[in-house]
Amino acid sequence: EVQLLESGGGFVQPGGSLRLSCEASGFSMSDFDMSWVRQAPGEGLEWVSTISSTGGRADYADSVRGRFTISKDNSKNTLYLQMSLLRADDTARYYCAKAAQPRRFLDCLDYWGQGTPVTVSS
Amino acid sequence: TQMTQSPSSQSAFVGDRVIITCRASRGINSFLAWYQQKPGKAPKLLIRAASTLQSGVPSRFSGSESGTDYTLTISSLQPEDVATYFCQEYDSGPLTFGGGTKVEIK
Repeated sequence: EVQLLESGGGFVQPGGSLRLSCEASGFSMSDFDMSWVRQAPGEGLEWVSTISSTGGRADYADSVRGRFTISKDNSKNTLYLQMSLLRADDTARYYCAKAAQPRRFLDCLDYWGQGTPVTVSS
Repeated sequence: TQMTQSPSSQSAFVGDRVIITCRASRGINSFLAWYQQKPGKAPKLLIRAASTLQSGVPSRFSGSESGTDYTLTISSLQPEDVATYFCQEYDSGPLTFGGGTKVEIK
């Protein structure tokens, strides 16, 4: 059974940093691209970042490029999102999600974690 | 690519047909997915490639396309279908979601 478990969210002041983690089970991250998607309170879904199965390619939404870094450790089957220079508008629940098809960089997302909340406020 | 989803909310009776539409700002080659998100839960993939139903999804859900218009149809609304539905294009980056449609029971 595929499971994704995010952690690392919390309360941080503007300008601060956080690192989110997403531990996967039931499949190998070395076979699938992985993404982070966020949802601000009461709002819709916003794609944040995607990393390829090998970790060699990554892409970011314009809103986070230069501030967030996605990475993965295939040996630990864990995905990360390093977030820096956080702003109030980064406040959201952050979901990790698995690509539906192996080794397809841009794909729909067939499994999602329950998300981890991030609140940026002074 | 912009994804314009309509309506933003819809209220219908149990057993009614519900239709939700997403219009893409350019051709997306059927790379269109539909998700269901119930309150307090993560999104769930219902349909990919415009019309392919995910395993385990009830057959009352279906997807279709006409040009750059993509449609999610619930043929007979059930109480457990109360949720917000999102479309997503994945033809090219950045991945883009529609604004969502909140479906409620009258």
